[in-house]
Amino acid sequence: GAVVSQHPSWVICKSGTSVKIECRSLDFQATTMFWYRQFPKQSLMLMATSNEGSKATYEQGVEKDKFLINHASLTLSTLTVTSAHPEDSSFYICSASLSAYSPLHFGNGTRLTVT
Amino acid sequence: AQKVTQAQTEISVVEKEDVTLDCVYETRDTTYYLFWYKQPPSGELVFLIRRNSFDEQNEISGRYSWNFQKSTSSFNFTITASQVVDSAVYFCALISSTGTSGSRLTFGEGTQLTVNP
Repeated sequence: GAVVSQHPSWVICKSGTSVKIECRSLDFQATTMFWYRQFPKQSLMLMATSNEGSKATYEQGVEKDKFLINHASLTLSTLTVTSAHPEDSSFYICSASLSAYSPLHFGNGTRLTVT
Repeated sequence: AQKVTQAQTEISVVEKEDVTLDCVYETRDTTYYLFWYKQPPSGELVFLIRRNSFDEQNEISGRYSWNFQKSTSSFNFTITASQVVDSAVYFCALISSTGTSGSRLTFGEGTQLTVNP
């Protein structure tokens, strides 16, 4: 089945630094990928929709200058958390699907801790 | 607007008991898809089932079964003879728009299921 790989699984960084998270679709091409954020014991919150070859579409309240998304190819989307702060500490999950209405396949997530 | 409600925040059962996780959804679209995902403690999301709005047949997969009722806008999930490995957070989700949004899922708040030995 379709596999989505996310890297790294966890990262600890210092406040003020930037962190890049990669999301790859391993055996299919994904024109659209999604980035979610999940706080402990909460649901997944959609941050942005990543479109190959064009700008990402951000959800209301998500700072696009802070969470930079690049979808350079049909198999890779990256999320960069710029100038990270402790409140950015969270679980970030990417997802992709083969087509509209298809089940979303999720990466294993990245646990970000900003100290 | 679309919304998914999982009223049960936490459920605790003893192994071998049956348990039903409730999901109620809201959408104005006539075409939509409903999903269930499992999130074990390790964090990854595991796809369990997809059901489209035109197919109200109940589905059974091993110990899992799903009851879709459009009349009550519900898509409940039952685990029969629960096992400790079933302990996880379960999310119900909905897609009811296409176009540029693609597979834009709306998630419920999740139900934490704990199965005790």
